[in-house]
Amino acid sequence: GENVEQHPSTLSVQEGDSAVIKCTYSDSASNYFPWYKQELGKRPQLIIDIRSNVGEKKDQRIAVTLNKTAKHFSLHITETQPEDSAVYFCAANDMRFGAGTRLTVKP
Amino acid sequence: DVKVTQSSRYLVKRTGEKVFLECVQDMDHENMFWYRQDPGLGLRLIYFSYDVKMKEKGDIPEGYSVSREKKERFSLILESASTNQTSMYLCASSLTSGRDNEQFFGPGTRLTVL
Repeated sequence: GENVEQHPSTLSVQEGDSAVIKCTYSDSASNYFPWYKQELGKRPQLIIDIRSNVGEKKDQRIAVTLNKTAKHFSLHITETQPEDSAVYFCAANDMRFGAGTRLTVKP
Repeated sequence: DVKVTQSSRYLVKRTGEKVFLECVQDMDHENMFWYRQDPGLGLRLIYFSYDVKMKEKGDIPEGYSVSREKKERFSLILESASTNQTSMYLCASSLTSGRDNEQFFGPGTRLTVL
């Protein structure tokens, strides 16, 4: 079955810096790659997703890139703000998640 | 606005008890999922269902069973709770069959087994 690996497990940045989280997947048939954000004590919520026919997608300060050949995809957050502090999960298709990245943005 | 609700936010049970966790979604979603969330391990899939009375094992089904008698309700059952099942349990639903759908999560049930 699909195996998703996510790095780093923790990430700390200064407010205004960029943050990058990377994921790799094993099943070349996977074609949907969502990213979820989970704030402390809350449920995970989708923030951005990308499908395999697209190499990059952007929504304001967040972007996702996909390299199907290498089977990896990344989340990029620019101009980070304290409210970006959360745990971020990548996924391949709709039910295999990475282990999560705890992002801390220091004011 | 999709709503996924879970029967309890916090639950404390004793080893050996039978435990029922209920999940209800109100948007006529086809797919429903149960995950457990543990620090450093992310969201691990226990069971999922693409239709009423249908169930499929996920990655960690041992010690669990599920029931989906109605489209809106998906129950997770711990037949004989053990301490290693202490965890946060998250239910989720998504719109249609297929594997490219956003998941909507419930608030979670924090289960402690003593």
